[in-house]
Formats: sequence, C-alpha cells, structure tokens
Amino acid sequence: AQSVTQLGSHVSVSEGALVLLRCNYSSSVPPYLFWYVQYPNQGLQLLLKYTSAATLVKGINGFEAEFKKSETSFHLTKPSAHMSDAAEYFCAVSLTGRRALTFGSGTRLQVQP
Amino acid sequence: GAVVSQHPSWVICKSGTSVKIECRSLDFQATTMFWYRQFPKQSLMLMATSNEGSKATYEQGVEKDKFLINHASLTLSTLTVTSAHPEDSSFYICSARAQELGVYNSPLHFGNGTRLTVT
Repeated sequence: AQSVTQLGSHVSVSEGALVLLRCNYSSSVPPYLFWYVQYPNQGLQLLLKYTSAATLVKGINGFEAEFKKSETSFHLTKPSAHMSDAAEYFCAVSLTGRRALTFGSGTRLQVQP
Repeated sequence: GAVVSQHPSWVICKSGTSVKIECRSLDFQATTMFWYRQFPKQSLMLMATSNEGSKATYEQGVEKDKFLINHASLTLSTLTVTSAHPEDSSFYICSARAQELGVYNSPLHFGNGTRLTVT
C-alpha cells in the first residue's frame, strides 16, 4: 500500500518569502508523485508530477519539487510567495498499475502581506 | 488542456431525497473516472472507480447502494446519492485521466466539485 504524509497542516509565509511544503511518501515500489492545489470550493489543479524521469520537477506558477529517494520525500518549493498562492496544497501518490491517487491530508498556505 | 466538467456545483436537498451529480470529460474520452469525497478541511478520500460499461469498484466502507455510480458513455459518469441524510453533506469531486500516448500514469484532471448540503 502507498501513503503520503504532509507535515504541517498550516504554513504561513510573508509575501516574497520562500515557500516550502513538505511531503513524505511510503511506497513498496517506485511511486508516481503529484502536487495539486485547491482553491476554496473548487476542484484540484495539477501543479507538477514526478514520473521517474528527472528528480527535480518544475511545475506551473513557479513551483518545483525534488524527488529524494533516500529521504522518501517530495517537498514543494517556490522561491517567492505571491498573495495568489494562498490555497490548500495536496501531495498525492499512485503506484505503477494503480490508477487512483492517494492524497495527503493537505497543507493550507497563508501568505501575509 | 483536458477539462472535466462537474454539475451541479452546489445543491441543497431535503433528507430522504436523491441527488444526481454529473461528471463529464469535455475534450477527451475517459474509460475510467474516479469519485472522491472531501469533508471540510480534510483530504480527498476515494469513494469509487467508475468504469465505462461495467460496474463501479467501491472502496471499503463505501455503501454501493447509497452511492450509485453509472458510467454510461466514455465522457459521462454520474453519482447518485440515494435517500440522502445530513451526514452525506460533503464536497464530492470527480476526476478522470486523459490517456496520453506513450505516457504511463498521466495525471488526473479534476472537476470543480459539488457541494451537497442535506437539510
């Protein structure tokens, strides 16, 4: 079985500061990892995905994530936070051959002016 | 890009009635769609996998007679909450995967969700 753990249900940063959202995974086989963003009362939008190619993955809106097998981590970062980045962020994992995603508990990002 | 449309975006119904939620893939065919449920300030929990032309596969603990899923075409899946009760109030989100040639495990595309309130 696979799972993801997101450390920190709430993260608050100042506008212009570094954003770091943590995700650790557990998987018996090499996983496929995703980060999604959710705005209030909306569905999920894909930020980026890791599918065993490059370990540093660049996504939309300036976000990127690095897959570290030794740490079983897939942390999401952005060099400079914008007010529009305030949202809920979900890390998700799927296994080879299984098509649904298992989501982490989510991290709410607040951006202070 | 791939778009998934979900309707309605919100619905209020009385206890005991049934509610149907539609999920459509607008510019691609989806042999499989997924239905998730999200409680306030919580993560998404997979309810069932909807397979075109066959029965849905339900996750453990999800009542298949209460949450009826029909996937009648390659672009439409419906979730019907039967005899709804206040505890069924939640945010329901559907998703589908566009098959990308040569790409395994392409990402899911999500609808905008349906907020169901049962009074």
